[in-house]
Amino acid sequence: GENVEQHPSTLSVQEGDSAVIKCTYSDSASNYFPWYKQELGKRPQLIIDIRSNVGEKKDQRIAVTLNKTAKHFSLHITETQPEDSAVYFCAASGGSNYKLTFGKGTLLTVNP
Amino acid sequence: GAGVSQSPSNKVTEKGKDVELRCDPISGHTALYWYRQSLGQGLEFLIYFQGNSAPDKSGLPSDRFSAERTGGSVSTLTIQRTQQEDSAVYLCASSRGPDPSYNEQFFGPGTRLTVL
Repeated sequence: GENVEQHPSTLSVQEGDSAVIKCTYSDSASNYFPWYKQELGKRPQLIIDIRSNVGEKKDQRIAVTLNKTAKHFSLHITETQPEDSAVYFCAASGGSNYKLTFGKGTLLTVNP
Repeated sequence: GAGVSQSPSNKVTEKGKDVELRCDPISGHTALYWYRQSLGQGLEFLIYFQGNSAPDKSGLPSDRFSAERTGGSVSTLTIQRTQQEDSAVYLCASSRGPDPSYNEQFFGPGTRLTVL
């Protein structure tokens, strides 16, 4: 089955800096890669996603890149703000498998 | 409209007891998922229901875990003879259809289970 590795497990940045979180996946049939944000004590929420026919996608301060050959994808947050502090999860799914396989999460702390 | 709801929000039980966790998906959503989130771990898939199809139970960690979805709506996750390692947050999600790439999964607030 699919295996998703996520790094780093914790990340601390100064407000205004950029943050990058990286994930790798094992199943070459995977074709959909969402990112979820989970604030402390709250439910995970989808913030951005990318399909395998696209190499990069942006939405304001966040962007996701995908390298199908290397089987890795990354989340980029620019001009970080304290409200970006949360746990971020990457995930992968595809083929006939409708399950999302999640990484173990990255705790991002943005220091004012 | 109303989102996914779960009850109870917190459950403390003694080792060996059975527990039932409830999920109310968004109305009209045909797909329903259960995940387990342990401290420092990601979201671990447990079981998936889609319409009237047989559920995908491939993520259930042992035969002590079971789930039902009645009438294509409400779902109940049952853990029998609970163990301390069952302590976790159990999250439910629902989506309009089965393919995650076209149907966003919306999560409930979770049930925090503590087994003493």
